[in-house]
Amino acid sequence: AQSVTQPDIHITVSEGASLELRCNYSYGATPYLFWYVQSPGQGLQLLLKYFSGDTLVQGIKGFEAEFKRSQSSFNLRKPSVHWSDAAEYFCAVDRAGTASKLTFGTGTRLQVTL
Amino acid sequence: DTAVSQTPKYLVTQMGNDKSIKCEQNLGHDTMYWYKQDSKKFLKIMFSYNNKELIINETVPNRFSPKSPDKAHLNLHINSLELGDSAVYFCASSSLAGGITGELFFGEGSRLTVL
Repeated sequence: AQSVTQPDIHITVSEGASLELRCNYSYGATPYLFWYVQSPGQGLQLLLKYFSGDTLVQGIKGFEAEFKRSQSSFNLRKPSVHWSDAAEYFCAVDRAGTASKLTFGTGTRLQVTL
Repeated sequence: DTAVSQTPKYLVTQMGNDKSIKCEQNLGHDTMYWYKQDSKKFLKIMFSYNNKELIINETVPNRFSPKSPDKAHLNLHINSLELGDSAVYFCASSSLAGGITGELFFGEGSRLTVL
């Protein structure tokens, strides 16, 4: 069965600092990987996704993620965090890439200090 | 215009009651979902409908019954509510017909509190 681990429950960074959120997956075949963001009181929004090809993918809001097969990781990064980035971030894996059955990690809550 | 809208946004009710949550999407998607997010923010899929047909039914108590009257609507009815049903329920939609896209569009959630 596929699974996703986000080791950090809560991270605090200063505005302007760089950010890396960790995600490890367990899946036998080629995974389809996603990062979603949930702002307070809102639904989830897709930040970026990896299906194949270039292992560094760019997303919205200045985020990027790098797929490392050898480490079974798909970490999310941003060079300079803005206060509006404070939210819950979810990594997810899907078997088919069609979003028909995403398995989500438990989320990392990002707090941004001014 | 909200892409995926759910009503009600908040629901407080007593144990044993029956309640429904409605969801509508105006994105023209062919697939809709219900996800449950518990108090620890863990998100788990409950049901999925493609063109009004049930395609995913996870291990959910049969007190939960989804209904999709058409492609744009997916409702969730819950009978005999229990304390453990307290959660945020998210409706989502996607387009499977569009091939591999991987993007779910979520509603804002319906927070159910069972007292």
